[in-house]
Amino acid sequence: KAGVTQTPRYLIKTRGQQVTLSCSPISGHRSVSWYQQTPGQGLQFLFEYFSETQRNKGNFPGRFSGRQFSNSRSEMNVSTLELGDSALYLCASSPLGALGDTQYFGPGTRLTVL
Amino acid sequence: QKEVEQDPGPLSVPEGAIVSLNCTYSNSAFQYFMWYRQYSRKGPELLMYTYSSGNKEDGRFTAQVDKSSKYISLFIRDSQPSDSATYLCATYYNQGGKLIFGQGTELSVKP
Repeated sequence: KAGVTQTPRYLIKTRGQQVTLSCSPISGHRSVSWYQQTPGQGLQFLFEYFSETQRNKGNFPGRFSGRQFSNSRSEMNVSTLELGDSALYLCASSPLGALGDTQYFGPGTRLTVL
Repeated sequence: QKEVEQDPGPLSVPEGAIVSLNCTYSNSAFQYFMWYRQYSRKGPELLMYTYSSGNKEDGRFTAQVDKSSKYISLFIRDSQPSDSATYLCATYYNQGGKLIFGQGTELSVKP
């Protein structure tokens, strides 16, 4: 089975711009979770989607949003970029997103905000 | 207090050493515990997965959970340079889809 894929792998944006990142889960997985990884804060949960619905949300401002399509692919969007949004954005997929399901991570998208 | 605490290191050991990586957690309701390994410029990959208390062994790796002290450990025997990576402990929050991670420990195994 192909793993989780994320595109693009690298992005450079300037403050105030917006960005959209894409994630394709493992075939058959219906849950997609997004995380932000920074040296200072580590890996932090952004949100989780299942069957095109956001089920869980972390403590991030409303500038961070996402969606999921009927084929389980997911996108996340960050509007009005700030310097502090520079990070590695990771998505992870699991079969149902149930408590105890194993989450499989993609390689991440490295976002740099100038 | 963070829900999962992990010493970020860095930790440097000679090849062949036994490595001990540790995390503590605050919520006694946590039941599922994972160790992920992350190489530079890669996403985390699942290394070990344990449920509740006890030990789990897989080759050179042993994961240990002590729920009485809210302490989780990963032991690496006969460490190799290829083990050099960041190791992240994680647990599920009280619902699916959301993992809580420790800060990650950067490990370097010197030949």
